[in-house]
Amino acid sequence: DQQVKQNSPSLSVQEGRISILNCDYTNSMFDYFLWYKKYPAEGPTFLISISSIKDKNEDGRFTVFLNKSAKHLSLHIVPSQPGDSAVYFCAARTEYTGNQFYFGTGTSLTVIP
Amino acid sequence: DAGITQSPRHKVTETGTPVTLRCHQTENHRYMYWYRQDPGHGLRLIHYSYGVKDTDKGEVSDGYSVSRSKTEDFLLTLESATSSQTSVYFCAIRPSVGTQYFGPGTRLTVL
Repeated sequence: DQQVKQNSPSLSVQEGRISILNCDYTNSMFDYFLWYKKYPAEGPTFLISISSIKDKNEDGRFTVFLNKSAKHLSLHIVPSQPGDSAVYFCAARTEYTGNQFYFGTGTSLTVIP
Repeated sequence: DAGITQSPRHKVTETGTPVTLRCHQTENHRYMYWYRQDPGHGLRLIHYSYGVKDTDKGEVSDGYSVSRSKTEDFLLTLESATSSQTSVYFCAIRPSVGTQYFGPGTRLTVL
């Protein structure tokens, strides 16, 4: 049973525009949410996280929004750059499952120059 | 650079042989994790450790065992490799409650 879901396998965006990646979850006990970027043949790179007590966190071009009532989070990248082309994973954790992290299946972002 | 290395980076083996993958960290973090990544499944947790000799199972632990005799090393063993264990394996550390950093990965092919 997938507790974290990324329903869009791929997304294409023009350079300079906004990229919005979405993630849904089912477990209301999740207390931290994370986003990772992954290039081929490399390990996932941590991008940004958000605690469940917040609804927004920004870091440069990256902003994560959390809507707890909808059990939905999104990652906004503004402006998008060709180097942002990668697979993006969202993840979540709760202390009630022994500090395990649960990952979505990923969204492949292509930024078109 | 999160100070995580994995060895080997690539391995080809035959069905039925034992395989051990090593994860090494330089930063003395308590929590370490092993994941596998497969198309259509994202990253799935195999086992994790919360201290020396303290380990627990993840969602896909069947066929795998782990050991942690030193803080810096976390070993993943496939006792008798099967073709379904062909995958990319990632190790991770947890520097704080809400973060996790990954190693470069090991690509394992079981023929």
